[in-house]
Amino acid sequence: DAGVTQSPTHLIKTRGQQVTLRCSPKSGHDTVSWYQQALGQGPQFIFQYYEEEERQRGNFPDRFSGHQFPNYSSELNVNALLLGDSALYLCASSLTSGAPGRGDTQYFGPGTRLTVL
Amino acid sequence: AQSVAQPEDQVNVAEGNPLTVKCTYSVSGNPYLFWYVQYPNRGLQFLLKYITGDNLVKGSYGFEAEFNKSQTSFHLKKPSALVSDSALYFCAVVGSARQLTFGSGTQLTVLP
Repeated sequence: DAGVTQSPTHLIKTRGQQVTLRCSPKSGHDTVSWYQQALGQGPQFIFQYYEEEERQRGNFPDRFSGHQFPNYSSELNVNALLLGDSALYLCASSLTSGAPGRGDTQYFGPGTRLTVL
Repeated sequence: AQSVAQPEDQVNVAEGNPLTVKCTYSVSGNPYLFWYVQYPNRGLQFLLKYITGDNLVKGSYGFEAEFNKSQTSFHLKKPSALVSDSALYFCAVVGSARQLTFGSGTQLTVLP
């Protein structure tokens, strides 16, 4: 049974460009969350998708957007890249067990390392 | 707003000795608490969680954690450390905001 997968593994972009990162959730999971982990820091919550809609959003600008597809996979898009966007981007999947779902365990993928030059 | 504090950036322990990695939290409402471990250039691996019930939670790889509501703490423990336990450990909380909030991490080094 495959766990959470992410692509690509590494990515190098220049300032001002746009990037799309992809995530496939663990089999049986219906919820995808995205996190940004800067070097030497803990992951920061970007947003969470459930039933193809953004259910919760962290303190990130509108340059960060996402999408969830009917097969529960997800994309993270970042526009107008800044040097400060360089980080490890982590995708996590979970199964929403019911309201409020706050105890659902999130399982993480290996991440995408984004470098902005 | 919810927050997590891991007061020690680095913890060193000798192999075979007990280890403790500290975590305190601040959240409105009942907390849901998690521990994750991260190996170099890898994603996070789930170790254990506290939702409700028994204050002592047992998890993967012999780890356990004790929930203390009065001290708002959720310390990670293991009776006998292994060199292979050396990694970066993150405590996280989910409060009323539904989102997972992580601490800054504690680097555990187990010395042979």
